[in-house]
Amino acid sequence: DAGVTQSPTHLIKTRGQQVTLRCSPKSGHDTVSWYQQALGQGPQFIFQYYEEEERQRGNFPDRFSGHQFPNYSSELNVNALLLGDSALYLCASSLRKTGYHNSPLHFGNGTRLTVT
Amino acid sequence: AQSVTQPDIHITVSEGASLELRCNYSYGATPYLFWYVQSPGQGLQLLLKYFSGDTLVQGIKGFEAEFKRSQSSFNLRKPSVHWSDAAEYFCAVGANTNAGKSTFGDGTTLTVKP
Repeated sequence: DAGVTQSPTHLIKTRGQQVTLRCSPKSGHDTVSWYQQALGQGPQFIFQYYEEEERQRGNFPDRFSGHQFPNYSSELNVNALLLGDSALYLCASSLRKTGYHNSPLHFGNGTRLTVT
Repeated sequence: AQSVTQPDIHITVSEGASLELRCNYSYGATPYLFWYVQSPGQGLQLLLKYFSGDTLVQGIKGFEAEFKRSQSSFNLRKPSVHWSDAAEYFCAVGANTNAGKSTFGDGTTLTVKP
């Protein structure tokens, strides 16, 4: 049973560039949430996708956007990269219909983004 | 707004000693509370969760946590720490209506002395 997989594992970009991160949820899960974890901090919620639509959003600018595909996989896009976007980006999946208590978050190992 | 405070940034304990990691939360309704562990270069692994019922919950790897509503706390404990427990520990709060939108504390780094 494959868990949450993310690609790439590491990425180096230059300020102003755009980046796309990818996530495949755990088998059987239908909801994908994205988190940003800056060095020395806890993960911060970016947004959540379910049924190919953004359902919840945290306090992140519009430069952060996403997409969910019919197979439940998801992408996180960040435009006009800033130095402050350097972080570990975590994807987490869950199964919405069973409720949170029956399907807590399963996290991938993350993508380490460095912006120079 | 919900928030989580982990007062201890770094804790060092000797192998075999007991451990308690503190977590205080702020949430307007009945909270769903979680403890996660993160090893270097890894994602987060769920240790245990509290939704309702018995306020003492058991998790994986011998961890337990106690929910105290009066103190808005959800402290993590382990009676005897192993060297492999060295990692970063995160407390989080969420709600069933916002599945996936958890608020995390900034974590406590655990070092285990031989």
